[in-house]
Amino acid sequence: GAGVSQSPRYKVAKRGQDVALRCDPISGHVSLFWYQQALGQGPEFLTYFQNEAQLDKSGLPSDRFFAERPEGSVSTLKIQRTQQEDSAVYLCASSLGGAYNEQFFGPGTRLTVL
Amino acid sequence: GQQLNQSPQSMFIQEGEDVSMNCTSSSIFNTWLWYKQDPGEGPVLLIALYKAGELTSNGRLTAQFGITRKDSFLNISASIPSDVGIYFCAGGGGSNFKLTFGKGTLLTVNP
Repeated sequence: GAGVSQSPRYKVAKRGQDVALRCDPISGHVSLFWYQQALGQGPEFLTYFQNEAQLDKSGLPSDRFFAERPEGSVSTLKIQRTQQEDSAVYLCASSLGGAYNEQFFGPGTRLTVL
Repeated sequence: GQQLNQSPQSMFIQEGEDVSMNCTSSSIFNTWLWYKQDPGEGPVLLIALYKAGELTSNGRLTAQFGITRKDSFLNISASIPSDVGIYFCAGGGGSNFKLTFGKGTLLTVNP
């Protein structure tokens, strides 16, 4: 596809369950980002990949959050033992990389933890 | 986490009016971007600015990168109903290329 795609679009999890969120970036985009957006707030940075290398994970809220991009294309954000405070929209963005900082976002995955 | 100071928080205007919103930061950014987000969707890039003092237009939208590199503004001229949405500023250009966002401006346009 032409844009960034994410799946699932909606996920409901019971507290304590593990979830996996998928991101397909724009073809050829070197950089991939994950953001978390709470209700009524702007997106907040979680982690950044350049190709398959995770260069910054300073925004991950806890060690329950884990992201990977093993082949430098598709990325998965995994949250273990979900808590209610994890409820948010998780956005993926990609860019060409380098000094070109225009990031293009997917539609997001809305996670609700009951 | 850090978020930029974006104002106003919300605006209610009549169709045809011009709109101005701005964003300030205590930190310097090398890049300023403006996004629009509709309900249930991801942010859509409107304008990207890369040089202090730069003034860039995209149709009815005009944005400027402040000369101090700590602020930016977005103007929308002759607003139309489809301009309704939440507008976010974002600063970037650090070594990890992450974007730091404002809290957004909710724009409502009355036809």
